[in-house]
Amino acid sequence: DIVLTQSPALAVSLEQRATISCKTSQNVDNYGISYMHWYQQKPGQQPKLLIYEGSNLASGIPARFSGSGSGTDFTLTIDPVEADDIATYYCQQSKDYPRTFGGGTKLELK
Amino acid sequence: EVQLVESGGGLVKPGSSLKLSCVASGFTFSSYGMHWIRQAPKKGLEWIALIYYDSSNKYYADSVKGRFTISRDNSKNTLYLEMNSLRSEDTAMYYCAKGLRRVFDYWGQGVMVTVSS
Repeated sequence: DIVLTQSPALAVSLEQRATISCKTSQNVDNYGISYMHWYQQKPGQQPKLLIYEGSNLASGIPARFSGSGSGTDFTLTIDPVEADDIATYYCQQSKDYPRTFGGGTKLELK
Repeated sequence: EVQLVESGGGLVKPGSSLKLSCVASGFTFSSYGMHWIRQAPKKGLEWIALIYYDSSNKYYADSVKGRFTISRDNSKNTLYLEMNSLRSEDTAMYYCAKGLRRVFDYWGQGVMVTVSS
């Protein structure tokens, strides 16, 4: 299985930049597509798709969210951070089965 | 508006069975693969099963293979998860999710399954 590793938590100040990383145990690129996606989950809610295929913004997601990276190293950036962004963020790969998620990064306020 | 509404959860004893349902609306259900994903209390997300739009292929996580069965009824816009031989480690919130380009683009609100004696 492809293992995805995220830092458990990140503390940021409002209106600053947050950078959340995700490292994979295997390359998740194939034919020029990065099969890496990002989700946001707020307490008591279901996850919501933010970024797909490494850097594509999902429908209705604000432009302050962006994704980058390739191969085994990926980053979700939130710039600037707003109060509504306080949540847990998960990366997920769809290169292989089983589909796997990172352990999640909880974004907290400083 | 896409809506996915799960039901069928509850408290069951180890070794018992349960069948979850997910009713879809707001999109052409018969055109999309569908997934089940679960989340144990205070834990991360675990993908557990996928069924193709026409039920031609099904994939499972090793943790549920042989015990859980994913199915769908396109005439009823409904996805199912039949769970047998339930264990305490199956205790989780179960989400159904719509598949698109290998991502989970919409999720239901989830249904809780608790396995305890």
